[in-house]
Amino acid sequence: ELKVEQNPLFLSMQEGKNYTIYCNYSTTSDRLYWYRQDPGKSLESLFVLLSNGAVKQEGRLMASLDTKARLSTLHITAAVHDLSATYFCAVDILNDMRFGAGTRLTVKP
Amino acid sequence: ETGVTQSPTHLIKTRGQQVTLRCSSQSGHNTVSWYQQALGQGPQFIFQYYREEENGRGNFPPRFSGLQFPNYSSELNVNALELDDSALYLCASSQIGLASHEQFFGPGTRLTVL
Repeated sequence: ELKVEQNPLFLSMQEGKNYTIYCNYSTTSDRLYWYRQDPGKSLESLFVLLSNGAVKQEGRLMASLDTKARLSTLHITAAVHDLSATYFCAVDILNDMRFGAGTRLTVKP
Repeated sequence: ETGVTQSPTHLIKTRGQQVTLRCSSQSGHNTVSWYQQALGQGPQFIFQYYREEENGRGNFPPRFSGLQFPNYSSELNVNALELDDSALYLCASSQIGLASHEQFFGPGTRLTVL
């Protein structure tokens, strides 16, 4: 059974600091997604990673994928308060999208 | 380009009742997927519809059923509601045939079962 595990589940960091969120999955997949969710809101697509070694960057966020290790990372550089949200990774296996439990990020001044 | 829309926004039902939730896919998309998100958890895949047929299903009982219409809009029906069905229900549209198969989510319907 496909399992998707994120860590940490909760992350409190100060503005200006760097940190990495990890996403491990148990079955081979070539499609991995990162989403952001603000409280009470829907999911916003951040990154789509389709191949081993894929790296994508948008602003202070950078995502990477290692399909051999079944690992994706979401790196936060010089965090700002506006990045406070819950971040989900998701893996697509044969039209079954499995989400991790989410990482609730709080960025403090 | 029109995004994914869902209706209603909020809904309150009592145990044992039936509910229908609606979703309009983003223009140009042919696939709709439905998810259940309980408070504090990640979305759980319910099922996916493509060309009006179910194209994949998660671990949900048969009382969760769906439809997709020729215009690619979709409905999620839940019969015999239980308290645990209280959740945010999200639909997402995508285009099968694109390599990314990226899904775009609607704003969700918050269902409360009393």
